[in-house]
Amino acid sequence: AQRVTQPEKLLSVFKGAPVELKCNYSYSGSPELFWYVQYSRQRLQLLLRHISRESIKGFTADLNKGETSFHLKKPFAQEEDSAMYYCAFRVRGKLIFGQGTELSVKP
Amino acid sequence: SAVISQKPSRDICQRGTSLTIQCQVDSQVTMMFWYRQQPGQSLTLIATANQGSEATYESGFVIDKFPISRPNLTFSTLTVSNMSPEDSSIYLCSAWGWLDRGRAKNIQYFGAGTRLSVL
Repeated sequence: AQRVTQPEKLLSVFKGAPVELKCNYSYSGSPELFWYVQYSRQRLQLLLRHISRESIKGFTADLNKGETSFHLKKPFAQEEDSAMYYCAFRVRGKLIFGQGTELSVKP
Repeated sequence: SAVISQKPSRDICQRGTSLTIQCQVDSQVTMMFWYRQQPGQSLTLIATANQGSEATYESGFVIDKFPISRPNLTFSTLTVSNMSPEDSSIYLCSAWGWLDRGRAKNIQYFGAGTRLSVL
């Protein structure tokens, strides 16, 4: 079955600590992977795409085809990073989401 | 200004009634979608809104319950029919495949959502 798994429902860290939000996918082909973020009272917005290999707001994510993972990382978390993070992949034009991880960065 | 506008932003409805949600995108797009986000849950795809033809529904969603229209490349509606309290949720419109060359084609945007409560 094609699915995205985010094993952690909640991740709580202190400001300045490293962050890794885990994402694993199940798909037989070559997926197009994304990280979306939803800040409090804001709409869902794109954070990263794997094809861009970019760093946004200090976040990076590397596609590991061997481990079928696309973990989101940031070396030093900031309080403003607190939000819901969704890993997603696009299959036949449709975006399929994981369950989401709530990141809480404490001062 | 928002790429995708949805209205209403929220509504409280009585059981057995229907609500139509409108989605307007600011430029022509090939793909439009409707998602549901139940309380404390992730986003679940309801259907792909096809321009000029019937929508393509995901498993567990049917046209009689969630009729969808897409009369052109910038507008779609989702109707939640014969509502029950289980339909209380946030409904989101989404789009990608931008035809405007000034916008990255494959970035998928989301509306702010319609928060529906059914009493």
